[in-house]
Amino acid sequence: GQNIDQPTEMTATEGAIVQINCTYQTSGFNGLFWYQQHAGEAPTFLSYNVLDGLEEKGRFSSFLSRSKGYSYLLLKELQMKDSASYLCAVMDSNYQLIWGAGTKLIIKP
Amino acid sequence: EADIYQTPRYLVIGTGKKITLECSQTMGHDKMYWYQQDPGMELHLIHYSYGVNSTEKGDLSSESTVSRIRTEHFPLTLESARPSHTSQYLCASSGDREAGELFFGEGSRLTVL
Repeated sequence: GQNIDQPTEMTATEGAIVQINCTYQTSGFNGLFWYQQHAGEAPTFLSYNVLDGLEEKGRFSSFLSRSKGYSYLLLKELQMKDSASYLCAVMDSNYQLIWGAGTKLIIKP
Repeated sequence: EADIYQTPRYLVIGTGKKITLECSQTMGHDKMYWYQQDPGMELHLIHYSYGVNSTEKGDLSSESTVSRIRTEHFPLTLESARPSHTSQYLCASSGDREAGELFFGEGSRLTVL
């Protein structure tokens, strides 16, 4: 079957750096996506990786290793507004998105 | 700013009622999706469409139907609501170039008594 694994919850301090990991096993691979979802709101797109390596976008970076079935989202200079759930999703060989359950990130002052 | 809208935002209804959740987008996207999401849980794909007159069922069978008569409109209908249908329903769309970059509506939170 297809599977996306992420930690359920993480806690970090304002101003610090946090890395959220995602491992996947899917039938085929056509890209990995990270979304941010604040409580009670809809997900919003953060990043997209299809080739191995690091993609940087401001305070957020996303890394992919296709051979290891592994990605991480790196958040720098954490702000209170970064408190949210972070969803990892993989597009499989049928171009369908397979979603992880999300990692709830709690930022403490 | 995404231009995708869902109505109603909140709905409380009794068991056995028929309801339609509306979703419209003004981005001209061919691909549209309906997801169901319970708090703290993953998104489950209910239905999707890759264009007018094209609809497919997703992994989650929720006894619902969809239609795609116009590009911009993708309503979801529950013929007979049950308490197990209580959930958040999210509509999304994506363009051809970045099929995995979904734009979501604000969601419709349904409670069936």
